[in-house]
Amino acid sequence: KAGVTQTPRYLIKTRGQQVTLSCSPISGHRSVSWYQQTPGQGLQFLFEYFSETQRNKGNFPGRFSGRQFSNSRSEMNVSTLELGDSALYLCASTRLAGGDTGELFFGEGSRLTVL
Amino acid sequence: TQLLEQSPQFLSIQEGENLTVYCNSSSVFSSLQWYRQEPGEGPVLLVTVVTGGEVKKLKRLTFQFGDARKDSSLHITAAQPGDTGLYLCAGGRGAQKLVFGQGTRLTINP
Repeated sequence: KAGVTQTPRYLIKTRGQQVTLSCSPISGHRSVSWYQQTPGQGLQFLFEYFSETQRNKGNFPGRFSGRQFSNSRSEMNVSTLELGDSALYLCASTRLAGGDTGELFFGEGSRLTVL
Repeated sequence: TQLLEQSPQFLSIQEGENLTVYCNSSSVFSSLQWYRQEPGEGPVLLVTVVTGGEVKKLKRLTFQFGDARKDSSLHITAAQPGDTGLYLCAGGRGAQKLVFGQGTRLTINP
């Protein structure tokens, strides 16, 4: 079956702009999590959505937001971009919400560069 | 402060050598996962360990969960160039989200 699909794969923005990233989970998976990956910090959890509701949220400023649609597709938005927001943004899906032993299925990521 | 510390952060060895990567924490985890990430791709799950002292083998890879469930190790025997990648450990604590280490970037030279 098709894996997790993230779009766009690459994008370049300038400071102050906003960006929207999209994630389509594996069919049947209702939980979508977003992570920010940078060389210095590794994978940092942003938020998790399950059945259109935010279930968990990481320690990121309010400029980072997300939502999930009824078909489980998810979007994340970053407003007023800063240079430090340059990173690989990874989306992961699982069949169930929470649960620490479940496998996360990751997409290939969206690489954001802020100039 | 990183909840999960991985060491070493970078490792470059020759094909055929053995290596061990460590994942340490002062916190107890109910489970520990290891992922491998190759360039241009997302992480892929290798193994999940849930019991203190548990050992799991995946071909030439051996994973161990510490008795106190605060640490884990990944040992690779006779490393091959195909083992090259970023190895990530991730700890789970009940309903809370997985916490990832910063990763170990492994390069196996032919």
